[in-house]
Amino acid sequence: DTGVSQDPRHKITKRGQNVTFRCDPISEHNRLYWYRQTLGQGPEFLTYFQNEAQLEKSRLLSDRFSAERPKGSFSTLEIQRTEQGDSAMYLCAIDPAPNEQFFGPGTRLTVL
Amino acid sequence: QKEVEQNSGPLSVPEGAIASLNCTYSDRGSQSFFWYRQYSGKSPELIMSIYSNGDKEDGRFTAQLNKASQYVSLLIRDSQPSDSATYLCALRPALIFGKGTKLSVKP
Repeated sequence: DTGVSQDPRHKITKRGQNVTFRCDPISEHNRLYWYRQTLGQGPEFLTYFQNEAQLEKSRLLSDRFSAERPKGSFSTLEIQRTEQGDSAMYLCAIDPAPNEQFFGPGTRLTVL
Repeated sequence: QKEVEQNSGPLSVPEGAIASLNCTYSDRGSQSFFWYRQYSGKSPELIMSIYSNGDKEDGRFTAQLNKASQYVSLLIRDSQPSDSATYLCALRPALIFGKGTKLSVKP
């Protein structure tokens, strides 16, 4: 148990629909990260929160993507007008210590 | 552009052998390096991190870092079939990952 849960674990949607994923750290952690991973690739950084502040966003995060962490605890990642290229595993991670980063189980998105 | 390069493999070793996984990186300013193991369909699991030149051992795993050569490696001693997975190298900040090396340990 890495101390991070994600919901849902799997999501199948049709192209053009909006989807929202949730990440819940079990205990309070200042830093929370979102990554995307496609088959055969390593995870790609999307965005990072320090408490409720979104401090960094990758250029991978197009205007269709938005992330929030309203109370500095759980976080949501929304994808609007999904495209087939959005099909991937979306991973949330936390930093309990400077040289540690643990991932949640991920949400696998399939866009038909 | 910060890059992390790994041989995608597959790397095949017999059970009980030493598996050697390698990673090079482009950013000389990188300070911390991480090795993750990822089983098919699962999320990455942290094996260990290293930030000082030299070796760091944890059980059957040894991470080696050479900042002058921009090279980090992971040795797995007494490899077991359960070690068969993809091994990902990553560097801080906001972890930049390589594509991973697929390891297969044959009984």
